Amino acid sequence: TQLLEQSPQFLSIQEGENLTVYCNSSSVFSSLQWYRQEPGEGPVLLVTVVTGGEVKKLKRLTFQFGDARKDSSLHITAAQPGDTGLYLCAGEDDYKLSFGAGTTVTVRA
Amino acid sequence: NAGVTQTPKFQVLKTGQSMTLQCAQDMNHNSMYWYRQDPGMGLRLIYYSASEGTTDKGEVPNGYNVSRLNKREFSLRLESAAPSQTSVYFCASTRSVAGYGETQYFGPGTRLLVL
Repeated sequence: TQLLEQSPQFLSIQEGENLTVYCNSSSVFSSLQWYRQEPGEGPVLLVTVVTGGEVKKLKRLTFQFGDARKDSSLHITAAQPGDTGLYLCAGEDDYKLSFGAGTTVTVRA
Repeated sequence: NAGVTQTPKFQVLKTGQSMTLQCAQDMNHNSMYWYRQDPGMGLRLIYYSASEGTTDKGEVPNGYNVSRLNKREFSLRLESAAPSQTSVYFCASTRSVAGYGETQYFGPGTRLLVL
């Protein structure tokens, strides 16, 4: 059972465009994490959000945690080819992570 | 520091064969995890070890066994491999399970093909 639904599944955009990836659940999580994974490698943590309504910025990446702590979004401004990768959200519950299926982002030069 | 290391990187098995995937971390972390990643399914937790000497089942434990050999090492064993176990396997570790938002550090993965 997939607790976390990510959308879209695939996203292909031109360099300089903006994009948003969504992560939704019917469950409440203690925290929500976003990871990026490049081909042939393990996921690497980008950010953790803990408080409902929290917004965190990491350079051109903006992460938001929903007020009810059930959903989150990742917004990338002026995407660059280096942003290409698989973006995974993961909700923490009972000290374990449940991952979404991921969004594959391709940024064309 | 090497972080989390996994061996082997790639393995081909025949149905019914057994094998052990090795994982080690040098960050003095207490908790370790095994996941499998399949297309369209994300990462699914197989087993985890909250601390040395303890192991617990995750979401998809059937067909697997684990051993927390010591604080550094956590192995995953397939006793009788099946084609459904073809996947990419990731090991991860965290400092502790206690607390919110513990960062999971992942290894590079083991790609397993079962024929």
